[in-house]
Amino acid sequence: KNQVEQSPQSLIILEGKNCTLQCNYTVSPFSNLRWYKQDTGRGPVSLTIMTFSENTKSNGRYTATLDADTKQSSLHITASQLSDSASYICVVSAGGSGGGADGLTFGKGTHLIIQP
Amino acid sequence: GAVVSQHPSWVICKSGTSVKIECRSLDFQATTMFWYRQFPKQSLMLMATSNEGSKATYEQGVEKDKFLINHASLTLSTLTVTSAHPEDSSFYICSAPSLAGDQETQYFGPGTRLLVL
Repeated sequence: KNQVEQSPQSLIILEGKNCTLQCNYTVSPFSNLRWYKQDTGRGPVSLTIMTFSENTKSNGRYTATLDADTKQSSLHITASQLSDSASYICVVSAGGSGGGADGLTFGKGTHLIIQP
Repeated sequence: GAVVSQHPSWVICKSGTSVKIECRSLDFQATTMFWYRQFPKQSLMLMATSNEGSKATYEQGVEKDKFLINHASLTLSTLTVTSAHPEDSSFYICSAPSLAGDQETQYFGPGTRLLVL
């Protein structure tokens, strides 16, 4: 059964600090991994997408890494801002799904709170 | 980038009434769209796949007569929650696929919060 596990479940850090969120997956065959940011009461917004051959990808202060051998990914947030407070969802796509949502496995997300 | 909108953003209704939620792809066409529901602090759960010009396909455990889906055009899908009950209260999100670079990715709508009294 395809699964995506995220840790920690929730995290509180002070504004300006860095943090790293983890995602472990057992999805086969693997196609790609995406990190989404979901603000409270809003739909998810894509941050990064990585395929099997990509080890790291950045989007501003967000840097995602992928180790396809250990089936682990991380999302590093640098110099956090109050607006970073949100849920961060790791989504893994199974190969052959053609990008359809029926081939996606969602993590439960990490709820991040940035305190001033 | 691709934009998906939903309407309404929130709705409160009485038990027993029906509620229609619209999902639109604003700057691209989508032959398929997807509907999810999300409970507080939980992950998105795929409910059904909306197919333009044909019947929707539902995930196991989702009542098709309860959640009516119509994909009227290449830019519009609607989800109707029929005879809504308090347990249908949830956050409903749609998505549509589009290319991001060379990868097809899902673009999500902003969600619709439904409260059934």
